Amino acid sequence: GAGVSQSPRYKVAKRGQDVALRCDPISGHVSLFWYQQALGQGPEFLTYFQNEAQLDKSGLPSDRFFAERPEGSVSTLKIQRTQQEDSAVYLCASSIGGPIYEQYFGPGTRLTVT
Amino acid sequence: LAKTTQPISMDSYEGQEVNITCSHNNIATNDYITWYQQFPSQGPRFIIQGYKTKVTNEVASLFIPADRKSSTLSLPRVSLSDTAVYYCLVVLTSYDKVIFGPGTSLSVIP
Repeated sequence: GAGVSQSPRYKVAKRGQDVALRCDPISGHVSLFWYQQALGQGPEFLTYFQNEAQLDKSGLPSDRFFAERPEGSVSTLKIQRTQQEDSAVYLCASSIGGPIYEQYFGPGTRLTVT
Repeated sequence: LAKTTQPISMDSYEGQEVNITCSHNNIATNDYITWYQQFPSQGPRFIIQGYKTKVTNEVASLFIPADRKSSTLSLPRVSLSDTAVYYCLVVLTSYDKVIFGPGTSLSVIP
C-alpha cells in the first residue's frame, strides 16, 4: 500500500514568509509525528498526535511553529515568519500506536530559508 | 531524559559482519532501544527494536546486556547497499516520545 507522503518535497522561502508543510500518513495509522532534521544530524522530535489530539508539542522550537491534524488523518506543520535557522528537512512519520511502535517515515520536506 | 552516543562513522568491507554499539547510560526501566537506517534524501526506516537480551530478525540482531546501558546492532555480511546512517534511539515510554542519537555513518567498501 501507499506509504507516508509529504508535500512539497522542496520549499524555498524568503525570511519572514509563512510556510505550510503537509503530511499524508498511512491510512488507519493513529499516531503521527513531526521531526526536524538539520544537515548531518539526527532527527529531533517536534510534536506528536494521536488521532486529532496533539499529545506532545514540547519539541516545537518556538511559538512560530504550529501543527494540526483536524480530522485525525492529514497533518500540516506551519511555520510563521520563517528564519534562516528554520532551514532543515522536516520529516513526518506515522504508526499504528504510540512511539513504542514502528514509525513509518515520509521522504521529508527540505525547507531552505533565504 | 536518556541520551545516546554512538560512533560517528565506521568502514567495513563487503561480506563482513558489522557491529555498531550505542551507549545509553540513563535509560529507564521501561524504555526500549530501537535502531533505524537512513539513506540520503529518504526518511529513516525501522530495523529492529528490543528491551533486553537478544532480538533477531531477517536483517539484523540486537544485543542488549543485563545492565541495559548499551546495545549493539549487528549486521551480518554487509553489502554495498548497506551504506547508510544508522540511528540508535531510546523510546521513552513514560514520556511517550523517542530520542534519536547522532547516528553512525557506515561505509561499505567493495
